[in-house]
Amino acid sequence: EIVMTQSPATLSVSPGERATLSCRASQSIGSDLAWLQQKPGQAPRLLIYGASTRATDFPARFSGSGSGTDFTLTISSLQSEDFAVYYCQHYKNWPFTFGPGTKVDIK
Amino acid sequence: EVQLVESGGGLVQPGGSLRLSCATSGFTFSDSWMHWVRQSPGRGLVLISRMNSDGSSTYYADSVKGRFTVSRDNAENTLYLQMDSLRVEDTAVYYCASNSVWGQGTMVTVS
Repeated sequence: EIVMTQSPATLSVSPGERATLSCRASQSIGSDLAWLQQKPGQAPRLLIYGASTRATDFPARFSGSGSGTDFTLTISSLQSEDFAVYYCQHYKNWPFTFGPGTKVDIK
Repeated sequence: EVQLVESGGGLVQPGGSLRLSCATSGFTFSDSWMHWVRQSPGRGLVLISRMNSDGSSTYYADSVKGRFTVSRDNAENTLYLQMDSLRVEDTAVYYCASNSVWGQGTMVTVS
């Protein structure tokens, strides 16, 4: 089973600042990686797939990069609605697994 | 608009059974892989089952294999999860998801 790790566990950022979240896979997954956003009391929403393709619901300030084992989600200028928990998930082979999440909160 | 609506959750005793349903609309269900994911405070997000478009291929997490059964009705655009021999550790919010959209979830409490 591929283990996904995320860092940091919590990221405190001021509105308007840049946020950089990291995700690492225990073995190479190519670009078979998704990022999801979850707000309190809500279901997760697909944000990025294929490591770098943004879902249509999300603005261009969200970007994903990386391949192999190391991946990054960047939020270029945090808005109030972006404070949430972000999960990475691989879908290289079964079982597909999630990282533990990074909580982005207000500094 | 794509919609996935789960139902069937509730409180059940250990060893009991529940059947979850996921009613879908707004996309071509019969062409879509579908998934069940659960989320609990201690165990995070776990993708517990997935099924291909015609139901001929299924996958299960080790934690539910032999106890849970996924099925689908493409005529009714509905996904199901039959959960038997439930354990306290199965307590979670259960979501159904397509490849891109998640439902709002249904709570299952085993106690």
